[in-house]
Amino acid sequence: EAGVTQFPSHSVIEKGQTVTLRCDPISGHDNLYWYRRVMGKEIKFLLHFVKESKQDESGMPNNRFLAERTGGTYSTLKVQPAELEDSGVYFCASSPTGGPTYTEAFFGQGTRLTVV
Amino acid sequence: LAKTTQPVSMDSYEGQEVNITCSHNNIATNDYITWYQQFPSQGPRFIIQGYKTKVTNEVASLFIPADRKSSTLSLPRVSLSDTAVYYCLVVGYNTDKLIFGTGTRLQVFP
Repeated sequence: EAGVTQFPSHSVIEKGQTVTLRCDPISGHDNLYWYRRVMGKEIKFLLHFVKESKQDESGMPNNRFLAERTGGTYSTLKVQPAELEDSGVYFCASSPTGGPTYTEAFFGQGTRLTVV
Repeated sequence: LAKTTQPVSMDSYEGQEVNITCSHNNIATNDYITWYQQFPSQGPRFIIQGYKTKVTNEVASLFIPADRKSSTLSLPRVSLSDTAVYYCLVVGYNTDKLIFGTGTRLQVFP
């Protein structure tokens, strides 16, 4: 069974450019989460989808970040325009209906984003 | 959500038992204690979750005293491949996000 898959694994872009990260959750998982770790900091929550709806986007840093999950399957996280402080590792996680209290969240390998 | 405190780092040798203690003094009645493991260049991986007393699976054991203000993750006979960062999280009932702390960096030596 395939796990959570993220593309690309690495991305290096220049400041001001646009980058789109993709996450394919485990098939059948309604919950999809985005997290990120910036250098030297803790892993921070960005947002949570339940199917195609945004349940909680309280962790999104600003309006340069746009997340979508059309059709309730894969999700994209677009950063436009990218700034130096956006560099870090972006993780996607998914879990079945019920939330992470009773079921584990499955994380992808992450996308390492470097803005130069 | 309750804040957690755990040691920044720990060292061990292969074959030893490792116990990582986490304090969560403000844990609420409906909160669960969950541990994740993270290897370099990978995402966190769920290890174990418990509410009270003791939980054991094929990877670890989790000990939670009656007051639930702390918990101890026990890894029996660690190997080099157990070198990782271990996160203790307090997860609320039907919460929609995980709050990660700094974790404990475990280094296992031969």
